[in-house]
Amino acid sequence: RKEVEQDPGPFNVPEGATVAFNCTYSNSASQSFFWYRQDCRKEPKLLMSVYSSGNEDGRFTAQLNRASQYISLLIRDSKLSDSATYLCVVDTGRRALTFGSGTRLQVQP
Amino acid sequence: GAGVSQSPSNKVTEKGKDVELRCDPISGHTALYWYRQSLGQGLEFLIYFQGNSAPDKSGLPSDRFSAERTGGSVSTLTIQRTQQEDSAVYLCASSLQRQGFFHFGAGTRLSVL
Repeated sequence: RKEVEQDPGPFNVPEGATVAFNCTYSNSASQSFFWYRQDCRKEPKLLMSVYSSGNEDGRFTAQLNRASQYISLLIRDSKLSDSATYLCVVDTGRRALTFGSGTRLQVQP
Repeated sequence: GAGVSQSPSNKVTEKGKDVELRCDPISGHTALYWYRQSLGQGLEFLIYFQGNSAPDKSGLPSDRFSAERTGGSVSTLTIQRTQQEDSAVYLCASSLQRQGFFHFGAGTRLSVL
C-alpha cells in the first residue's frame, strides 16, 4: 500500500460547482498535512495546510479525519483558474515529506 | 532573487554521460529537498538536507545518484552514467527548518537520449 494515495481523476466539473477530493495516508503517526497545487508543467505551490480542527481559506476548505486516516479538500464555486493538479502532502515525522500522486481537476465553462 | 533557483532549466544529454543539476535555496532556509517527477506522475523523494545533519539519502534510486550541499546553501545533484529512465523533471525545494511549507524551484527538465 502506498503511504499516500489519491484518486488521479480527472474530475471534470462545470464552473460554479462544488468539488471535493480525498487523500488517504497509511501511517497513523503522521503529524502534519498539506495541500499543494501544481499547474501544468509548473512547480507545486502550497495551497494550504490542514489543521486538526479543519480550516478554511476563501472557497477552499481542508479537513482531517484521523480516525479514518484521510484528509480532504473542498472547493466551492469552482473557477476556470482552479484547473490544476492537487497534491496532498503528509509528514510522518521521518525523513522528508511524502507527496501523493495528485488529483487532476478540470473546470469547464 | 527571493525564490529557489535551479539551473539549468533544461538539459539534454546522451545516455552514459554525467550531469550536474544545481539548486540555490532561499537564503536562511536550513532544509533542502530534491524530488523528481516523471511525466504525469507524482513527486518521488530523492534526498533531504537539514542544517548540518547527515543527509537522508534513502530516496536515491541507485548509486549513480549523489548530492551535496556546500556551506549549508547551494546544492548539486549529480547523476553519473545517465540512463533513459533518468529523464524527468528534477525539483528542488527549501523550507525554513523542517516543515511542510516548501518553496519549489521551477525545476530542471532532464532528457536522456
